[in-house]
Amino acid sequence: QQPVQSPQAVILREGEDAVINCSSSKALYSVHWYRQKHGEAPVFLMILLKGGEQMRHEKISASFNEKKQQSSLYLTASQLSYSGTYFCGTERGSDYKLSFGAGTTVTVRA
Amino acid sequence: GAGVSQSPSNKVTEKGKDVELRCDPISGHTALYWYRQSLGQGLEFLIYFQGNSAPDKSGLPSDRFSAERTGGSVSTLTIQRTQQEDSAVYLCASSPGEVNQPQHFGDGTRLSIL
Repeated sequence: QQPVQSPQAVILREGEDAVINCSSSKALYSVHWYRQKHGEAPVFLMILLKGGEQMRHEKISASFNEKKQQSSLYLTASQLSYSGTYFCGTERGSDYKLSFGAGTTVTVRA
Repeated sequence: GAGVSQSPSNKVTEKGKDVELRCDPISGHTALYWYRQSLGQGLEFLIYFQGNSAPDKSGLPSDRFSAERTGGSVSTLTIQRTQQEDSAVYLCASSPGEVNQPQHFGDGTRLSIL
């Protein structure tokens, strides 16, 4: 049930773009995205709903392809503050539990 | 307002001892979750409480792990006869208990078993 995230890690220079994917083999109700900085708690970024629109948090946006059961997180014109590990959490709608992916570590360098 | 509070922030104990970890969720949040995060790893679901319903214990790794939630608020995760593989950060989160609501995480308890 755990979603699969790819890539596992990405290194960017400031201003570059990146895409993180989250795929599930199960039908999904929504996808949540969180970012965790080293030594800190995960922080909520956004929720993508089934049938909903693309969402945005600052210059980070995300989409949800219901047919493919896949969500993509887009880091545009990356900033140093975007460094951290990004987790997707998938919700099936039958309860309020999330299944989290293994995470994608993003390193943005000056 | 106050966020999710966890205590202690760090706990070092000897193998074989019992430990109790505490989580105080955001006021009014009916859903409470416990996760375990080993070094450099993802979030491993342990247990989930929703209101007065029976907890979902499907993620507890062994019968040494248990949790309770008193009065629908504070929760305690207990690990009995700790083993070295129990060393990890234990994160608690709460949410309003409705679909499409984010989970709010505490800062976690870093547990080290010697």
